[in-house]
Amino acid sequence: GDSVTQMEGPVTLSEEAFLTINCTYTATGYPSLFWYVQYPGEGLQLLLKATKADDKGSNKGFEATYRKETTSFHLEKGSVQVSDSAVYFCALIPDSNYQLIWGAGTKLIIKP
Amino acid sequence: ETGVTQTPRHLVMGMTNKKSLKCEQHLGHNAMYWYKQSAKKPLELMFVYNFKEQTENNSVPSRFSPECPNSSHLFLHLHTLQPEDSALYLCASSQDKTKHGTQYFGPGTRLLVL
Repeated sequence: GDSVTQMEGPVTLSEEAFLTINCTYTATGYPSLFWYVQYPGEGLQLLLKATKADDKGSNKGFEATYRKETTSFHLEKGSVQVSDSAVYFCALIPDSNYQLIWGAGTKLIIKP
Repeated sequence: ETGVTQTPRHLVMGMTNKKSLKCEQHLGHNAMYWYKQSAKKPLELMFVYNFKEQTENNSVPSRFSPECPNSSHLFLHLHTLQPEDSALYLCASSQDKTKHGTQYFGPGTRLLVL
């Protein structure tokens, strides 16, 4: 079945470091891919999305590129801030239906 | 602010109580969802409504009862819950039920069942 696999956390970085959170997926056809972020004590917010192969989603300095050949959608940011500390979820909506399939989430901790 | 509000934000209830969670979306969307988020478990989809009609019930126990009186409001009625039902309950909405239909989430209700 369709699934999303994220790197396990927590990921701990110093401020201004480069960030990569890996996400790979299993799905037939061309799913839509998403990154959501959950700040402490809050609900989930859409961070970025891509709906077809080679699309790049970007928002707030974060980027992710839809790689069909490697079935990946890795999240990157060039210089992280303490305020980026949160849990990041990779997700997909498959071709076959509308339900979001979620990764387990990766907790990111940024130290000053 | 995502345009989806939830009340209450926090709720403590005993196993014999009856309470309701409320969700309201101000985005003009047609689909609404209830999710359960428990510690160290993936997000679980509970119910889906599309144009006020329930289209999914993912094997949720009957002690959870959803209600969708119109496209803007969604309720989750709770009765005789168990301690393992303690979790963050998230409401979401989307324009429609397609793979491009980005879901927008409310802040959640943190529920503790004693």
